[in-house]
Amino acid sequence: GENVEQHPSTLSVQEGDSAVIKCTYSDSASNYFPWYKQELGKRPQLIIDIRSNVGEKKDQRIAVTLNKTAKHFSLHITETQPEDSAVYFCAVLPEGYALNFGKGTSLLVTP
Amino acid sequence: GAGVSQTPSNKVTEKGKYVELRCDPISGHTALYWYRQSLGQGPEFLIYFQGTGAADDSGLPNDRFFAVRPEGSVSTLKIQRTERGDSAVYLCASSYLQGTGELFFGEGSRLTVL
Repeated sequence: GENVEQHPSTLSVQEGDSAVIKCTYSDSASNYFPWYKQELGKRPQLIIDIRSNVGEKKDQRIAVTLNKTAKHFSLHITETQPEDSAVYFCAVLPEGYALNFGKGTSLLVTP
Repeated sequence: GAGVSQTPSNKVTEKGKYVELRCDPISGHTALYWYRQSLGQGPEFLIYFQGTGAADDSGLPNDRFFAVRPEGSVSTLKIQRTERGDSAVYLCASSYLQGTGELFFGEGSRLTVL
């Protein structure tokens, strides 16, 4: 199956700073790249996604960039707030299959 | 209901027992997925259905695991002869069509095998 590598596994930032999480994948036919946020004891929820025909997408403080040639994509959170603290998962959709998730990044935003 | 519903929310069983986990997807969603999440890990794909048929069951770890979706709506994940290593949160998700976008997850069923 699709191999999805996510880094870092943990990330601690000060409130107001930016956070960046990166993922790489192996299947060049993959065409959909979402990011999910999971708070402790809660279900994963989609926060932003990007398709393979777009290089960047932004939604308020959150942005995702995609480099299809290098097969990596990144989540950028600006002006971080304590409520951004959670585990973030990248995922990749190989054509014809189901989403494969990375192992997650535990983000801690300290006031 | 408005979201994906999973029952039971918690299940404690003894090694060797049989368990069933149920998922009721969002009405109208044709694609249904089962994932397993262990502590500190990302969701691990098990199986997905497009309608009533299992479109991809390559993630099922062995033949003790089986899932059905007989009428294209509710799905049941069945685990025979449970082992301690089966302990995890089993997440169900649904989407309108496979491959088109957002997965909506349920709250999960936490399985503990003693």
